[in-house]
Parts: sequence; structure tokens; C-alpha cells
Amino acid sequence: GQQLNQSPQSMFIQEGEDVSMNCTSSSIFNTWLWYKQDPGEGPVLLIALYKAGELTSNGRLTAQFGITRKDSFLNISASIPSDVGIYFCAGLMYSGGGADGLTFGKGTHLIIQP
Amino acid sequence: EAQVTQNPRYLITVTGKKLTVTCSQNMNHEYMSWYRQDPGLGLRQIYYSMNVEVTDKGDVPEGYKVSRKEKRNFPLILESPSPNQTSLYFCASSIGQGGNEQYFGPGTRLTVT
Repeated sequence: GQQLNQSPQSMFIQEGEDVSMNCTSSSIFNTWLWYKQDPGEGPVLLIALYKAGELTSNGRLTAQFGITRKDSFLNISASIPSDVGIYFCAGLMYSGGGADGLTFGKGTHLIIQP
Repeated sequence: EAQVTQNPRYLITVTGKKLTVTCSQNMNHEYMSWYRQDPGLGLRQIYYSMNVEVTDKGDVPEGYKVSRKEKRNFPLILESPSPNQTSLYFCASSIGQGGNEQYFGPGTRLTVT
């Protein structure tokens, strides 16, 4: 199946710093999604992107659907302790027979140092 | 409360003993899916269903079965579990058949000895 390269793998930042992470693929996706997973819980949807070039915000989070449809980034501004967790990108591709299912990146582990 | 529920949350079993992990959603979603999450490998799709009585293989279907007899339920069946199926399993659902904006359950941690 398709593969998503998510980077960085982990980030160690100070509270209050801005965070940026991205996903790239050799394949074109029709939809990009960003999820956050807290320890012991299932992933929670943060932002959904449906159009190339689309820029969408959710509070301190901003995500963009790349113009080439092969990449997406997520920014978090002014990080706070509850932002700690694993962030996943996911792409959805539609083929002639319908959707092929979500492909997930391997995650960015965000750690905030006091 | 709109949610996806899974049972059990934790399970320890032995090789070869058939087990079923249940998944239920109360949002009238068309699409349901199962994933496994392993360190270093991320989330990988096992099976998905776009509607009642319609199921399709995901990326790692070997050793698993599913059924979709009712819209709200999508059980995952391991006929003969093996240690390499030790993992964290998530059920997810979405409103459209396309499977975007999937909402995840709390997870089932399975250990096969």
C-alpha cells in the first residue's frame, strides 16, 4: 500500500515554543487528516483537509494540504503541557472502486520539557 | 454520548484459543474499520467495512476475520491467535462510506502467549 513519511519522529521542546511536523508521500491523496493520541487512548481527530492548498486552523493548531497533494504539515503554536502525545498524519486516497482506506504515518512523539 | 466502544479493553490468552473483540458505534456510521498498532510500525489497517454485509481486506488481514451483520457492530475474530498477533487493536468508524474522518475506540490490548 501507500506509505507516508512523517517527521520528525520525536520532538523535545520547551513550553511556549511553536511546533512543526510534516508528512510526505510519493502518492497523491484526496484527504489529509491529523490525529493526536494520548497514552492509553485511541487517536482523536484534530483537523481534516479536503482540498489542495487548504489551510485550516483548530485553536492553536494549523494544518495545510500541500499543493502537490503529496504532503501536509501541522503547526502548534505556543505549546502547553497538555499538547504532549503522539501526532499522526493520515491520508485517504480514492480510486475507481472507492476509498482505499486510511494510510497512517508512524507518528511524531511530542515531549514538552518544563 | 457519541462513541465507539470496544470489549474487552485488555485480554491475555494462549496460542490457538479462538477469541472475539467486539466493536460497537452509536453514531449510525456507514464505515467501520479495525487497526493494529505496533511500536515502530504505527497504525495498520486489518479489515474495513463500507456497509452492512460488505467487508474488505486492509493491509494486514492474515489471521483475522470480521463480520458486519448489523450497522452498529463490527467484531474482530481471531480463529487461532498466535504470539505475533500480540498488539494494541483499535476499532474506528466514520459517517461516510469513504472512511474519512474516522473516530476511534479506546483500544484493546491483546497478549497472546
